[in-house]
Amino acid sequence: EPEVTQTPSHQVTQMGQEVILRCVPISNHLYFYWYRQILGQKVEFLVSFYNNEISEKSEIFDDQFSVERPDGSNFTLKIRSTKLEDSAMYFCATPTSGDLDTQYFGPGTRLTVL
Amino acid sequence: GQSLEQPSEVTAVEGAIVQINCTYQTSGFYGLSWYQQHDGGAPTFLSYNALDGLEETGRFSSFLSRSDSYGYLLLQELQMKDSASYFCAVRDRTDKLIFGTGTRLQVFP
Repeated sequence: EPEVTQTPSHQVTQMGQEVILRCVPISNHLYFYWYRQILGQKVEFLVSFYNNEISEKSEIFDDQFSVERPDGSNFTLKIRSTKLEDSAMYFCATPTSGDLDTQYFGPGTRLTVL
Repeated sequence: GQSLEQPSEVTAVEGAIVQINCTYQTSGFYGLSWYQQHDGGAPTFLSYNALDGLEETGRFSSFLSRSDSYGYLLLQELQMKDSASYFCAVRDRTDKLIFGTGTRLQVFP
């Protein structure tokens, strides 16, 4: 059974529009991560979340990005004004059963910015 | 800077053995992981080494040498379904994963 679900599976948007990507962990993990992967490239860290607060963010995670836990269960990644270069797969991940040595990745959201 | 280097592509035939190498240079190191990713899919965890030596998990084994900042993933008895991209990843001092450049494995019949 998957530990993480993500919606939508695919989002197409116009440049300059706002998008919200959602992730729902099955278990109530304290640690939470967002990564992105541009087509054909490596997976890159965006932001980590610990105990309902951002614990670290990468240089990619600029002012256009924000992350929230609006209702205590699901997490959202918001991109305020999308750019063409934001087109990528966005994955959320949580440690597997509290083991920080391994991370379980959600199925991802493919974001296409036109 | 932080970097993890892997060969870009490896090819092999069914039943063969392949080794995918990873050399890393990171500001912190808590362990080396390996993830498999099929086209259009999410990375899935394969193996983890925190200490030097070999870890075996079925057909897959992973090796780490911390003194050499080097590790490898060994895949035995290759099957067609093993065709995928393989990423090494370092868990750093803040517990995030720093991924390698990725190796695309193609298995031929």
